[in-house]
Amino acid sequence: LAKTTQPISMDSYEGQEVNITCSHNNIATNDYITWYQQFPSQGPRFIIQGYKTKVTNEVASLFIPADRKSSTLSLPRVSLSDTAVYYCLVGDSPRGNNRLAFGKGNQVVVIP
Amino acid sequence: DTGVSQDPRHKITKRGQNVTFRCDPISEHNRLYWYRQTLGQGPEFLTYFQNEAQLEKSRLLSDRFSAERPKGSFSTLEIQRTEQGDSAMYLCASSSSPDNYEQYFGPGTRLTVT
Repeated sequence: LAKTTQPISMDSYEGQEVNITCSHNNIATNDYITWYQQFPSQGPRFIIQGYKTKVTNEVASLFIPADRKSSTLSLPRVSLSDTAVYYCLVGDSPRGNNRLAFGKGNQVVVIP
Repeated sequence: DTGVSQDPRHKITKRGQNVTFRCDPISEHNRLYWYRQTLGQGPEFLTYFQNEAQLEKSRLLSDRFSAERPKGSFSTLEIQRTEQGDSAMYLCASSSSPDNYEQYFGPGTRLTVT
């Protein structure tokens, strides 16, 4: 499984767009990029998954450049409730056991 | 759909005692996972079931740990002869699709070994 590198923490002001970056220099051809969110004392929650270019859902957008060595999770107009740890994961093509390999994540704090 | 539930939510035990945790996945999900999370770290994979079959176990799952999923429904995770290093949050997750990495996590069981 490819290793990911994320900033340890970042702050953002309420109402702003937040872009959370992840580096995965050793990503393999079959690897997918997945992001999870975790609030204190709760289990992680799936946000979005992508392979290349751009993926958007009702919660976030995921931008993946052509070389796929990094990705950016974009959260539009964050609120205080978006304060959480955000994990970037890279894994083999699904249809295996699909076990998740989390790193330490990025603690995002939204400031009023 | 009530989501993934875990019981108990908190467990305090003395070193050397045995503990058992239960996970009830989303009813139609045939895949079930156990993870362990310590403070400041992301969750670490422990084991995976597809229906009632345990298909993968992590090296983290020492012989003091055992997991079952009888009849492919709920699952239990037992830790025998607990040690202080077992103190962690134990998370259960389930999924139905082999096509993506979307797993639904329960709230976890926080174990404290004194």
